[in-house]
Amino acid sequence: DARVTQTPRHKVTEMGQEVTMRCQPILGHNTVFWYRQTMMQGLELLAYFRNRAPLDDSGMPKDRFSAEMPDATLATLKIQPSEPRDSAVYFCASGLVQLAGTYNEQFFGPGTRLTVL
Amino acid sequence: SQQGEEDPQALSIQEGENATMNCSYKTSINNLQWYRQNSGRGLVHLILIRSNEREKHSGRLRVTLDTSKKSSSLLITASRAADTASYFCATVYGSSNTGKLIFGQGTTLQVKP
Repeated sequence: DARVTQTPRHKVTEMGQEVTMRCQPILGHNTVFWYRQTMMQGLELLAYFRNRAPLDDSGMPKDRFSAEMPDATLATLKIQPSEPRDSAVYFCASGLVQLAGTYNEQFFGPGTRLTVL
Repeated sequence: SQQGEEDPQALSIQEGENATMNCSYKTSINNLQWYRQNSGRGLVHLILIRSNEREKHSGRLRVTLDTSKKSSSLLITASRAADTASYFCATVYGSSNTGKLIFGQGTTLQVKP
Protein backbone atom coordinates (compact mmCIF):
# COMPACT_ATOMS: atom_id res chain seq x y z
CA ASP A 1 0.00 0.00 0.00
CA ALA A 2 2.07 2.92 -1.30
CA ARG A 3 1.75 6.14 0.62
CA VAL A 4 3.50 9.43 1.25
CA THR A 5 5.27 9.57 4.59
CA GLN A 6 6.23 12.67 6.55
CA THR A 7 8.38 13.19 9.58
CA PRO A 8 8.06 14.41 12.20
CA ARG A 9 4.29 14.27 12.70
CA HIS A 10 4.44 16.92 15.40
CA LYS A 11 7.05 19.56 16.16
CA VAL A 12 7.08 22.16 18.91
CA THR A 13 9.93 24.61 18.82
CA GLU A 14 10.86 28.05 20.00
CA MET A 15 11.03 31.12 17.86
CA GLY A 16 14.37 31.44 16.09
CA GLN A 17 15.06 27.72 15.91
CA GLU A 18 15.60 25.83 12.69
CA VAL A 19 12.91 23.37 11.65
CA THR A 20 13.36 20.64 9.06
CA MET A 21 10.44 18.62 7.75
CA ARG A 22 10.94 15.54 5.63
CA CYS A 23 8.82 13.78 3.07
CA GLN A 24 9.16 10.49 1.26
CA PRO A 25 7.04 10.56 -1.90
CA ILE A 26 5.47 7.50 -3.43
CA LEU A 27 8.03 5.54 -5.42
CA GLY A 28 7.74 6.33 -9.09
CA HIS A 29 6.00 9.67 -8.65
CA ASN A 30 7.78 12.48 -10.44
CA THR A 31 6.16 15.51 -8.82
CA VAL A 32 6.32 16.60 -5.19
CA PHE A 33 4.36 19.45 -3.62
CA TRP A 34 4.62 21.23 -0.27
CA TYR A 35 1.48 22.83 1.17
CA ARG A 36 0.74 24.74 4.35
CA GLN A 37 -2.67 24.68 5.98
CA THR A 38 -3.97 27.18 8.51
CA MET A 39 -7.46 28.10 9.62
CA MET A 40 -7.08 31.63 8.28
CA GLN A 41 -5.46 30.96 4.91
CA GLY A 42 -6.60 27.43 4.14
CA LEU A 43 -4.33 25.32 1.94
CA GLU A 44 -1.48 27.23 0.35
CA LEU A 45 0.99 25.82 -2.14
CA LEU A 46 4.51 26.63 -1.03
CA ALA A 47 6.70 24.87 -3.58
CA TYR A 48 6.84 21.96 -5.94
CA PHE A 49 9.31 19.83 -7.81
CA ARG A 50 9.24 17.90 -11.07
CA ASN A 51 11.84 15.16 -11.44
CA ARG A 52 13.60 16.68 -8.41
CA ALA A 53 13.97 20.09 -10.04
CA PRO A 54 12.21 23.02 -8.34
CA LEU A 55 9.55 24.39 -10.67
CA ASP A 56 7.90 27.00 -8.53
CA ASP A 57 8.51 28.24 -5.03
CA SER A 58 6.72 31.55 -5.38
CA GLY A 59 4.42 30.69 -2.49
CA MET A 60 7.28 30.42 -0.07
CA PRO A 61 8.78 33.24 2.04
CA LYS A 62 12.26 33.13 0.50
CA ASP A 63 14.09 34.73 3.37
CA ARG A 64 13.39 31.92 5.78
CA PHE A 65 12.03 28.93 3.88
CA SER A 66 13.89 26.57 1.63
CA ALA A 67 12.84 23.37 -0.12
CA GLU A 68 15.07 20.73 -1.66
CA MET A 69 14.98 17.23 -3.09
CA PRO A 70 18.38 15.68 -2.42
CA ASP A 71 17.21 12.48 -4.11
CA ALA A 72 14.08 10.95 -5.55
CA THR A 73 13.05 9.47 -2.22
CA LEU A 74 13.42 12.54 -0.04
CA ALA A 75 12.04 16.06 -0.07
CA THR A 76 12.81 18.54 2.68
CA LEU A 77 11.29 21.81 3.79
CA LYS A 78 13.37 23.94 6.08
CA ILE A 79 12.47 27.04 8.07
CA GLN A 80 15.31 29.11 9.50
CA PRO A 81 14.68 31.02 11.68
CA SER A 82 11.17 29.94 12.62
CA GLU A 83 8.54 32.41 13.77
CA PRO A 84 5.22 31.96 15.59
CA ARG A 85 3.32 32.81 12.40
CA ASP A 86 4.83 29.70 10.81
CA SER A 87 2.67 27.55 13.08
CA ALA A 88 0.56 25.42 10.76
CA VAL A 89 0.19 21.93 9.36
CA TYR A 90 2.61 21.29 6.51
CA PHE A 91 1.62 18.69 3.96
CA CYS A 92 3.68 16.98 1.34
CA ALA A 93 1.97 15.46 -1.67
CA SER A 94 3.27 13.53 -4.64
CA GLY A 95 1.85 12.75 -8.05
CA LEU A 96 2.68 11.39 -11.45
CA VAL A 97 2.53 13.63 -14.48
CA GLN A 98 2.90 11.48 -17.58
CA LEU A 99 1.67 13.33 -20.62
CA ALA A 100 1.79 17.01 -21.41
CA GLY A 101 -1.54 18.47 -20.36
CA THR A 102 -2.65 15.41 -18.38
CA TYR A 103 -2.66 15.95 -14.67
CA ASN A 104 -3.86 13.41 -12.18
CA GLU A 105 -4.55 13.19 -8.50
CA GLN A 106 -2.11 14.05 -5.78
CA PHE A 107 -1.45 11.79 -2.83
CA PHE A 108 -1.03 13.55 0.47
CA GLY A 109 1.04 12.64 3.47
CA PRO A 110 -0.35 12.86 7.02
CA GLY A 111 1.24 16.25 7.59
CA THR A 112 3.62 17.78 10.12
CA ARG A 113 1.90 19.90 12.76
CA LEU A 114 4.33 22.68 13.62
CA THR A 115 3.97 24.91 16.65
CA VAL A 116 6.42 27.76 17.08
CA LEU A 117 6.31 29.33 20.53
CA SER B 1 -5.33 33.50 -4.14
CA GLN B 2 -7.78 30.57 -3.95
CA GLN B 3 -9.12 29.49 -7.30
CA GLY B 4 -12.10 27.60 -5.98
CA GLU B 5 -14.74 28.68 -3.55
CA GLU B 6 -16.95 26.12 -1.89
CA ASP B 7 -20.51 26.64 -0.85
CA PRO B 8 -21.79 26.13 1.78
CA GLN B 9 -18.93 26.57 4.23
CA ALA B 10 -20.63 24.20 6.64
CA LEU B 11 -23.35 21.60 6.24
CA SER B 12 -25.07 19.46 8.86
CA ILE B 13 -27.39 16.62 7.87
CA GLN B 14 -28.84 13.39 9.24
CA GLU B 15 -27.47 10.01 8.30
CA GLY B 16 -29.17 8.73 5.17
CA GLU B 17 -29.73 12.15 3.67
CA ASN B 18 -27.92 13.44 0.61
CA ALA B 19 -25.25 16.14 0.86
CA THR B 20 -24.52 18.58 -1.94
CA MET B 21 -21.51 20.85 -2.05
CA ASN B 22 -20.74 23.39 -4.71
CA CYS B 23 -17.52 24.83 -6.01
CA SER B 24 -16.96 27.84 -8.21
CA TYR B 25 -13.72 28.78 -9.92
CA LYS B 26 -12.43 31.72 -11.88
CA THR B 27 -10.39 30.71 -14.91
CA SER B 28 -10.30 27.89 -17.44
CA ILE B 29 -9.23 24.57 -16.03
CA ASN B 30 -7.58 21.35 -17.12
CA ASN B 31 -9.48 19.34 -14.53
CA LEU B 32 -11.23 19.69 -11.21
CA GLN B 33 -10.71 17.37 -8.29
CA TRP B 34 -12.48 16.76 -5.01
CA TYR B 35 -10.65 15.79 -1.85
CA ARG B 36 -11.78 14.80 1.63
CA GLN B 37 -9.96 15.62 4.83
CA ASN B 38 -10.82 13.95 8.10
CA SER B 39 -9.94 15.86 11.23
CA GLY B 40 -6.21 15.79 11.88
CA ARG B 41 -5.44 13.88 8.70
CA GLY B 42 -4.08 14.52 5.25
CA LEU B 43 -6.25 15.00 2.20
CA VAL B 44 -7.57 12.01 0.32
CA HIS B 45 -8.42 12.20 -3.36
CA LEU B 46 -12.06 11.33 -4.10
CA ILE B 47 -12.73 11.98 -7.76
CA LEU B 48 -11.36 13.86 -10.78
CA ILE B 49 -13.42 15.31 -13.61
CA ARG B 50 -11.76 16.65 -16.73
CA SER B 51 -12.80 19.82 -18.48
CA ASN B 52 -14.44 17.88 -21.33
CA GLU B 53 -16.57 15.79 -18.96
CA ARG B 54 -19.91 16.85 -17.52
CA GLU B 55 -20.67 14.18 -14.94
CA LYS B 56 -18.83 11.43 -13.16
CA HIS B 57 -19.79 8.80 -10.59
CA SER B 58 -17.82 6.86 -8.04
CA GLY B 59 -19.79 4.76 -5.59
CA ARG B 60 -22.03 7.14 -3.62
CA LEU B 61 -20.32 10.17 -5.13
CA ARG B 62 -21.57 12.11 -8.10
CA VAL B 63 -19.68 15.07 -9.50
CA THR B 64 -20.92 17.47 -12.14
CA LEU B 65 -18.99 20.12 -14.01
CA ASP B 66 -20.43 23.12 -15.81
CA THR B 67 -17.59 24.92 -17.55
CA SER B 68 -19.89 27.65 -18.87
CA LYS B 69 -20.75 28.60 -15.28
CA LYS B 70 -17.30 27.70 -13.96
CA SER B 71 -18.84 25.55 -11.27
CA SER B 72 -18.90 22.00 -10.01
CA SER B 73 -20.98 20.11 -7.48
CA LEU B 74 -20.28 17.08 -5.35
CA LEU B 75 -23.24 14.97 -4.27
CA ILE B 76 -22.87 12.33 -1.58
CA THR B 77 -25.91 10.07 -1.51
CA ALA B 78 -27.17 8.13 1.49
CA SER B 79 -24.68 9.81 3.78
CA ARG B 80 -23.09 8.01 6.72
CA ALA B 81 -21.56 9.27 9.93
CA ALA B 82 -18.17 8.28 8.50
CA ASP B 83 -18.64 10.89 5.76
CA THR B 84 -18.15 13.60 8.37
CA ALA B 85 -15.12 15.54 7.11
CA SER B 86 -14.07 18.63 5.21
CA TYR B 87 -14.39 18.50 1.44
CA PHE B 88 -12.23 20.57 -0.89
CA CYS B 89 -12.40 21.21 -4.57
CA ALA B 90 -9.14 21.83 -6.36
CA THR B 91 -8.46 22.96 -9.87
CA VAL B 92 -5.61 22.58 -12.29
CA TYR B 93 -5.33 25.60 -14.55
CA GLY B 94 -5.91 24.77 -18.18
CA SER B 95 -3.20 27.05 -19.49
CA SER B 96 -0.61 25.93 -17.00
CA ASN B 97 1.96 23.26 -17.70
CA THR B 98 2.58 22.66 -14.05
CA GLY B 99 -0.12 20.42 -12.64
CA LYS B 100 -0.46 22.78 -9.68
CA LEU B 101 -3.62 22.30 -7.63
CA ILE B 102 -5.32 25.39 -6.27
CA PHE B 103 -7.65 24.55 -3.39
CA GLY B 104 -10.81 26.21 -2.20
CA GLN B 105 -11.54 26.87 1.46
CA GLY B 106 -13.59 23.72 1.85
CA THR B 107 -17.01 22.65 3.07
CA THR B 108 -17.25 21.11 6.52
CA LEU B 109 -19.80 18.32 6.50
CA GLN B 110 -21.27 16.87 9.65
CA VAL B 111 -23.42 13.77 9.35
CA LYS B 112 -25.38 13.06 12.51
CA PRO B 113 -26.13 9.41 13.31
